[in-house]
Amino acid sequence: DVKVTQSSRYLVKRTGEKVFLECVQDMDHENMFWYRQDPGLGLRLIYFSYDVKMKEKGDIPEGYSVSREKKERFSLILESASTNQTSMYLCGSAGLNIQYFGAGTRLSVL
Amino acid sequence: GDSVTQMEGPVTLSEEAFLTINCTYTATGYPSLFWYVQYPGEGLQLLLKATKADDKGSNKGFEATYRKETTSFHLEKGSVQVSDSAVYFCALSPMNSGYSTLTFGKGTMLLVSP
Repeated sequence: DVKVTQSSRYLVKRTGEKVFLECVQDMDHENMFWYRQDPGLGLRLIYFSYDVKMKEKGDIPEGYSVSREKKERFSLILESASTNQTSMYLCGSAGLNIQYFGAGTRLSVL
Repeated sequence: GDSVTQMEGPVTLSEEAFLTINCTYTATGYPSLFWYVQYPGEGLQLLLKATKADDKGSNKGFEATYRKETTSFHLEKGSVQVSDSAVYFCALSPMNSGYSTLTFGKGTMLLVSP
């Protein structure tokens, strides 16, 4: 089975902190994604990556950056966390046109 | 751009009732269509998919048929169980999407009572 692992299930951070959300997949997938999930808004794509060191902006990239130094790992970075970034963050990887998701990280920014 | 519209929830049913969750889409050509399910406290899991018109995806008693003429992909189950309580997301992947990006609907919460 495909496994996508997000390093934390819950995080609490302060406004202005730099936050790293980590994601690892074990299926050698080229494509990886970061979404945020908010009530009433569904899932919105933040960034995706189609290869090591390659990235593309999604629908809501403002306030975020990403890093993909190794094929299996895709990190989401909040350079200076703000309260409006409190959300559930979901990482995914894709193979054969199917996306697989991690369990999510619920981030609270106080 | 591409979009997916789902019926708003929550949908509240008694066990063994018939379920329909409506999903319509806007996209060029022939996108691939998916239903994902999210159980409480978990990430999304693929429930079923269809990649071309008139295809029927099915899994765990759930079914959905790709209707090009009505641009729809409604989710159905003949007899729901309490364990089906979850949020259901309809999604599409554009035709010839080399990156497998998905556009999601807003999700529909299903609550099944005993």
